[in-house]
Amino acid sequence: DVKVTQSSRYLVKRTGEKVFLECVQDMDHENMFWYRQDPGLGLRLIYFSYDVKMKEKGDIPEGYSVSREKKERFSLILESASTNQTSMYLCASAGTVSETQYFGPGTRLLVL
Amino acid sequence: GENVEQHPSTLSVQEGDSAVIKCTYSDSASNYFPWYKQELGKGPQLIIDIRSNVGEKKDQRIAVTLNKTAKHFSLHITETQPEDSAVYFCAATLGNFNKFYFGSGTKLNVKP
Repeated sequence: DVKVTQSSRYLVKRTGEKVFLECVQDMDHENMFWYRQDPGLGLRLIYFSYDVKMKEKGDIPEGYSVSREKKERFSLILESASTNQTSMYLCASAGTVSETQYFGPGTRLLVL
Repeated sequence: GENVEQHPSTLSVQEGDSAVIKCTYSDSASNYFPWYKQELGKGPQLIIDIRSNVGEKKDQRIAVTLNKTAKHFSLHITETQPEDSAVYFCAATLGNFNKFYFGSGTKLNVKP
């Protein structure tokens, strides 16, 4: 079975802090994704990566950056956390084009 | 870009009844349509998917139908059980780098 793990289930940070969210997958998938999930808005794509050191902006990249130094790991970085970044963050991975995405358990981030 | 609309946003059924969730999409080039179930506190889990060359797919109590002409697809759950209670998301993808477009979700409540 595909396993996608996220470094934290819950995080509480202060406004202005730098925040790192990490995601690791064990299926040698090329593609990895970061989404945020907010009530009534569904899942919105922040960034995705289709190879090591490659990244593409999703629909809402402002205020975020990403890093993919190894194939199995994809990190989401909030350079200076703000209260409007309080959300559930979901990581996903997928193999070749049109193959389904497998999600991690999510990180619920609260920015005070 | 693609736009996916999902209805209803909430659905309450009695145990044993059927539940139907509908999604429409805008881009006729979309070719893969997965459905995810998200239980409280967990990440979305794939429950069934369908590709554009197929009209219907079944897996035990779950089925998905696709109407390419009308650009809509539906999730059907028969003989619902309390453990079916969750949020369900539909998605559509054009297949390019696995970018998925998600619906806004349906909260299904199955009353015992």
